[in-house]
Amino acid sequence: GAVVSQHPSWVICKSGTSVKIECRSLDFQATTMFWYRQFPKQSLMLMATSNEGSKATYEQGVEKDKFLINHASLTLSTLTVTSAHPEDSSFYICSATGLAGSSDTQYFGPGTRLTVL
Amino acid sequence: QKEVEQNSGPLSVPEGAIASLNCTYSDRGSQSFFWYRQYSGKSPELIMFIYSNGDKEDGRFTAQLNKASQYVSLLIRDSQPSDSATYLCAQGKYSGGGADGLTFGKGTHLIIQP
Repeated sequence: GAVVSQHPSWVICKSGTSVKIECRSLDFQATTMFWYRQFPKQSLMLMATSNEGSKATYEQGVEKDKFLINHASLTLSTLTVTSAHPEDSSFYICSATGLAGSSDTQYFGPGTRLTVL
Repeated sequence: QKEVEQNSGPLSVPEGAIASLNCTYSDRGSQSFFWYRQYSGKSPELIMFIYSNGDKEDGRFTAQLNKASQYVSLLIRDSQPSDSATYLCAQGKYSGGGADGLTFGKGTHLIIQP
């Protein structure tokens, strides 16, 4: 099956700093990537949808100026958490789907655990 | 507001028995339904998806969908200790063509007792 990687797998940062998380499709072209966030014992919550070469679409309640998404190529999307605060500590997971893809071919990355001190 | 409801459990099932996981959803416009398995600290992995009313079987797993009742379930036959995990139910807008972000439930924690 298709492989999606994320980097880093975990990160610890100080409050007020920015953190960039990369999501890569390793063996297919990802026309659409999704970013989710999961707090402990909670469900995955969709944050935004990004299509290659266009602006991301954010879900209601997600601050687009705080969570910057760039889908610059068909294999890479990045999520930057700007001015991170402890409440942003969470498990961030991306997923990707390829050309003519559908929801059942949405491949998840391994996730990035962010801890903001 | 789309919602997916699951009993958080834990659901404890003896090894070799059938585990039955249930999920209800609020959005009648949903066309695709998914069951994911998530181990602690890991990202979810797809077990099955179902688009049409009725049953869909894949090995030891059977997904059941009833759109009129807005209900989807997952049966796991011959449960194994390795099946112990949190099972997430999810819904999407499209069946087949098109991809959208999914709405997930909180998950049911399943424990298979040896």
